[in-house]
Amino acid sequence: EAGVAQSPRYKIIEKRQSVAFWCNPISGHATLYWYQQILGQGPKLLIQFQNNGVVDDSQLPKDRFSAERLKGVDSTLKIQPAKLEDSAVYLCASSSPREYRDEQFFGPGTRLTVL
Amino acid sequence: LAKTTQPISMDSYEGQEVNITCSHNNIATNDYITWYQQFPSQGPRFIIQGYKTKVTNEVASLFIPADRKSSTLSLPRVSLSDTAVYYCLVGLNYGGSQGNLIFGKGTKLSVKP
Repeated sequence: EAGVAQSPRYKIIEKRQSVAFWCNPISGHATLYWYQQILGQGPKLLIQFQNNGVVDDSQLPKDRFSAERLKGVDSTLKIQPAKLEDSAVYLCASSSPREYRDEQFFGPGTRLTVL
Repeated sequence: LAKTTQPISMDSYEGQEVNITCSHNNIATNDYITWYQQFPSQGPRFIIQGYKTKVTNEVASLFIPADRKSSTLSLPRVSLSDTAVYYCLVGLNYGGSQGNLIFGKGTKLSVKP
């Protein structure tokens, strides 16, 4: 079974530029998550989709971050404009909850450096 | 929101059993407890999940007391390859994914030869 795919793996931009990350979840997984992981910290949930609807985006900085999941499959996370503090690894995960188990499968992440 | 507290780091030697405890005083009635492992430059990987009492799989055991305000991940006979950061996660509701997913700061486990 193919895992969660993310691209690009690395991105370097200057502050105030925009950037987009792409995620393709495991086939059939209805739930998709975007996390931000700053070096030395645990992943922080930015947004959670159930199919193409948003379940939780309470920690998404909506003035600069946006995410969409068209057709309930792949997803794009955008930052516009980027700030220095956005430097982090952006992780995408997907899951297909079933009784007694809800395991998230994570992609390799995109490492963003904002200069 | 159910936040978690874990030791920042732990050291162990190969072959020993390692127990990592997570505190989650505000756990909700329907919340599950999940543990993930993360190696450098990789996404977290699911280890084990439970609701109460004891859960065991091929790699770990999870002990949850009756009050569910804490949980303990037990790794039997660790090896060097178990050196990683371990996260305790509370917030998944039974029967499906809901919001309020919070990873703690994690416990960095170092296994020495």
